[in-house]
Amino acid sequence: GESVGLHLPTLSVQEGDNSIINCAYSNSASDYFIWYKQESGKGPQFIIDIRSNMDKRQGQRVTVLLNKTVKHLSLQIAATQPGDSAVYFCAEETSGSRLTFGEGTQLTVNP
Amino acid sequence: GAVVSQHPSRVICKSGTSVKIECRSLDFQATTMFWYRQFPKKSLMLMATSNEGSKATYEQGVEKDKFLINHASLTLSTLTVTSAHPEDSSFYICSAIDRATYNEQFFGPGTRLTVL
Repeated sequence: GESVGLHLPTLSVQEGDNSIINCAYSNSASDYFIWYKQESGKGPQFIIDIRSNMDKRQGQRVTVLLNKTVKHLSLQIAATQPGDSAVYFCAEETSGSRLTFGEGTQLTVNP
Repeated sequence: GAVVSQHPSRVICKSGTSVKIECRSLDFQATTMFWYRQFPKKSLMLMATSNEGSKATYEQGVEKDKFLINHASLTLSTLTVTSAHPEDSSFYICSAIDRATYNEQFFGPGTRLTVL
């Protein structure tokens, strides 16, 4: 069945380091992917998205990479800050704009 | 930017009672709204898709008589948890698609439901 999952449930980095969060998806027909950040007790916050006709997209301090060959998605955060500590989810859009979320990675930034 | 609100932000109720959660798009019209639930340390699971003026579409395994969804206007969808039980305790999150920019999906802040 369709699923989106993450390789690591937790990631701990030092402030200032770069962070890489990974995600694997199984539906090769998916053509739209989104990364969300969720802080404790809050709703998901959009970070960046990418369509399947691209393999890389950059935002402010964030980059999303898409490898369709191995069905892999990653989120890179440059110069990670304490405010980046949160749970990060990848999501895959299916029919009717429905989203299938991955399991999430808890990012902890140590000062 | 587009804002989605939820009310209440948290609610505690007794087992057997019903609880209504509202989801509003504050500055845009939402053709479609979605309802998710999230257990602690878990991911968001889509419960249903709510379209204005029509019946909601429920995901497999979600009881439509248990989770009543009404999308009465382009800015409001409600989720009613009927005859709530402790296992219904969860974080309920809605999202809304901006009618003007079809693919933009905005999330609400969530509602924490605790059933005693």
